[in-house]
Amino acid sequence: GQQLNQSPQSMFIQEGEDVSMNCTSSSIFNTWLWYKQEPGEGPVLLIALYKAGELTSNGRLTAQFGITRKDSFLNISASIPSDVGIYFCAGLMPGANSKLTFGKGITLSVRP
Amino acid sequence: NAGVTQTPKFQVLKTGQSMTLQCAQDMNHEYMSWYRQDPGMGLRLIHYSVGAGITDQGEVPNGYNVSRSTTEDFPLRLLSAAPSQTSVYFCASSRETEAFFGQGTRLTVV
Repeated sequence: GQQLNQSPQSMFIQEGEDVSMNCTSSSIFNTWLWYKQEPGEGPVLLIALYKAGELTSNGRLTAQFGITRKDSFLNISASIPSDVGIYFCAGLMPGANSKLTFGKGITLSVRP
Repeated sequence: NAGVTQTPKFQVLKTGQSMTLQCAQDMNHEYMSWYRQDPGMGLRLIHYSVGAGITDQGEVPNGYNVSRSTTEDFPLRLLSAAPSQTSVYFCASSRETEAFFGQGTRLTVV
């Protein structure tokens, strides 16, 4: 089935650094979502994007809905140790009726 | 407001046994779904439901059964457990575009 592309599978950064992740597809999406999953927990919604070109922030997190509607970006600024986890992108295709498509996720590690 | 509640949190089954993973939501969402999460595979959709009495297959439905008799509950049944079903299972409930996940059930089949 349709997948969203997230790479690399793992990222290692130093505390205080900024990090950017992207999520790409060959198909158009109407909605982009970014989730974070901490060990032993379910994914938690970080940011939702609904319009092409939209830029939305949630604290140190900023996400953008790509102009082509085929990609989205998440930026974390001034990383801290509690940013560790798996970051998933998800998208909703036109006519999908709440059925989300997920990327495979990026595991972020932050070195103190 | 509990959100999405999954039980049990952990389960060990023997090959061939059956069991039901429970999922309940208190947000009055019409859309609910089940995913399995395996290392490096992301979240794969097993079954979903767009409302009470309506269910459909996702990407990996084989070996699993669902029903939706109420808006609140969406149980997932393993008919005859196999080691390949060892995984972490997540139930989600959606408000239009945004999905809210439970804490997961970690299932081991030996």
